[in-house]
Amino acid sequence: DGGITQSPKYLFRKEGQNVTLSCEQNLNHDAMYWYRQDPGQGLRLIYYSQIVNDFQKGDIAEGYSVSREKKESFPLTVTSAQKNPTAFYLCASSARDRASNEQFFGPGTRLTVL
Amino acid sequence: AQSVAQPEDQVNVAEGNPLTVKCTYSVSGNPYLFWYVQYPNRGLQFLLKYITGDNLVKGSYGFEAEFNKSQTSFHLKKPSALVSDSALYFCAVRVTGFQKLVFGTGTRLLVSP
Repeated sequence: DGGITQSPKYLFRKEGQNVTLSCEQNLNHDAMYWYRQDPGQGLRLIYYSQIVNDFQKGDIAEGYSVSREKKESFPLTVTSAQKNPTAFYLCASSARDRASNEQFFGPGTRLTVL
Repeated sequence: AQSVAQPEDQVNVAEGNPLTVKCTYSVSGNPYLFWYVQYPNRGLQFLLKYITGDNLVKGSYGFEAEFNKSQTSFHLKKPSALVSDSALYFCAVRVTGFQKLVFGTGTRLLVSP
């Protein structure tokens, strides 16, 4: 988990609320990613960013939004439009968005909707 | 489309015995293959990757993986399992030109004392 921090570790949301998950990296990586993990499933890509001020939708972007104003930071907002947001959210980064580069993951944020 | 299959939900092995966690893939093009490990309520840790060259790749914590192009497999192995190896293991694949790292559904490894 070194080099990538996510906060908070646990987050509780009431229905209808937007919440923002923080992701910060000090690895000087250009590319950053957000994944969602549900029990019994692999990780699914929500959004990714190859460079500052640029990002693209992944497979399950509906109900989520991101920004990339700084190289170190890639916050994820879970909006009220996301119908089933309870999950474990993982942020990752890599030096460049190349197929051969491994991604490094943060410790995750567990979001629970009350 | 790229896909990864981990056919075993769980693998049980006794401490000291060799372990294998299976992974097969389906891609168009040359694959880049990765193994990650996840401990409870933690992020994924990178173990090893295959890019090109030697089919046997060595990684962290004594793990290794063998790339087999004809069988489209990339099985994770360790000669002697430790109880501390008990965790969730993910295989992943990516192909140049595709912007997504595709993960398998994970295999839970349980090493008994």
